[in-house]
This record gives sequence, C-alpha cells and structure tokens, in this order.
Amino acid sequence: DQQVKQNSPSLSVQEGRISILNCDYTNSMFDYFLWYKKYPAEGPTFLISISSIKDKNEDGRFTVFLNKSAKHLSLHIVPSQPGDSAVYFCAARTGANNLFFGTGTRLTVIP
Amino acid sequence: DAGVIQSPRHEVTEMGQEVTLRCKPISGHNSLFWYRQTMMRGLELLIYFNNNVPIDDSGMPEDRFSAKMPNASFSTLKIQPSEPRDSAVYFCASSWDSETQYFGPGTRLLVL
Repeated sequence: DQQVKQNSPSLSVQEGRISILNCDYTNSMFDYFLWYKKYPAEGPTFLISISSIKDKNEDGRFTVFLNKSAKHLSLHIVPSQPGDSAVYFCAARTGANNLFFGTGTRLTVIP
Repeated sequence: DAGVIQSPRHEVTEMGQEVTLRCKPISGHNSLFWYRQTMMRGLELLIYFNNNVPIDDSGMPEDRFSAKMPNASFSTLKIQPSEPRDSAVYFCASSWDSETQYFGPGTRLLVL
C-alpha cells in the first residue's frame, strides 16, 4: 500500500512559468519530507526537504510547502527552466532511516 | 568523492540464473539502502543496513532475494533464481545515519 502518492504521472510547463508538483501521504507519523530529482540513466539526487514543524522551505527557485492537516506537500519551481525536465520523487520519513517514495512525476519544461 | 558506485550498470540474464548486484557506498557513510524502481510502484526500499547490520529487510520480496554487507565499503544484492518479474532498476544509496541519502546510478536488470 502506497503511503506516499504522486497522482500526476506527468506535467508539462512552458519555460519561465511555475511548475507545481503535488504529493499526498497517509501516515501521520511522517516527520520529514524530501524531494528528489532524477535524470534518465542516473540515480535520484536530493533537491530540497522540509521538517514537519515547518510549512515552507525555500531554496532558490525551489520551494516546498507542507500542509499537515491535509497530508499534502507540493514543490514549486519558478521560473521553470528546460534543465528542470526530469522525474521528481516525493519521499517521507518517520524518524527512522528508511524513506517511503512516491511513484514520481515526469516534468517537461517546454522551451 | 566518487559517490555511490554500482555494478554492473546493465544486466541481462535468463530466468533461473543467479544475479548479483554490487554496491560501494560513499566513504564514511554508515547506512546503506537497496531500492527497486518499477513503473507501477516507483521506488521501493528492499533492505537497509546500519553499521553493516541489516536493520529492516521487510521490503525484500521473497526468499529468492538476499543481501549482505560484509564490510563498510561493500554490499551485494543477490537474486537466486531470477524471474522475469524481477526486471527493474535497482538502486543502492548511502547516508550518514538519517541524513540525506545519496543514490548510485542504478543497475538495470532484465530477466528473460
């Protein structure tokens, strides 16, 4: 049973616009959330994270928002660039080391 | 640092054969993770080690899968006998305790 869900398998956005990737989770014990980015033929790379005690974390063009009551988080990329085209995985942790990943959303930024 | 190293990068084998995937974690990391990526289920944790000791192997699909970590710089994931449904990309990742996990490039396995 998927504890972390990414319901949109793909997203296309025009260059310069905002990309919003969504993620839902079911386990209220998750206390740390992460976004990973994956290019073809490479492993996922860490992008940005947020603790459950916060509702927003920003790093340059990337911002993650957490809504604990809705068990929902989102990743905003603005402005989107063609190099952002990749698969984005949402992940969550309960405090132990193991991460629970979603199935990923493929973002395509159109030049 | 070379990052997490996995070998082979690609493996094609026939059903029933033994498959061994290898991983060298980042030097100094004390946690190692094996994941499997499929279209249907995304990234699934198979097993993770802390200080070379298996901590959680609840994600290992069945007895055909086994993993070892004989020392801090090497781990193997073995499938014996392999089946077509094992075809997937297998990732190894390492971290220092619960800090950020760093992933290797993956091994793409195809079982015919």
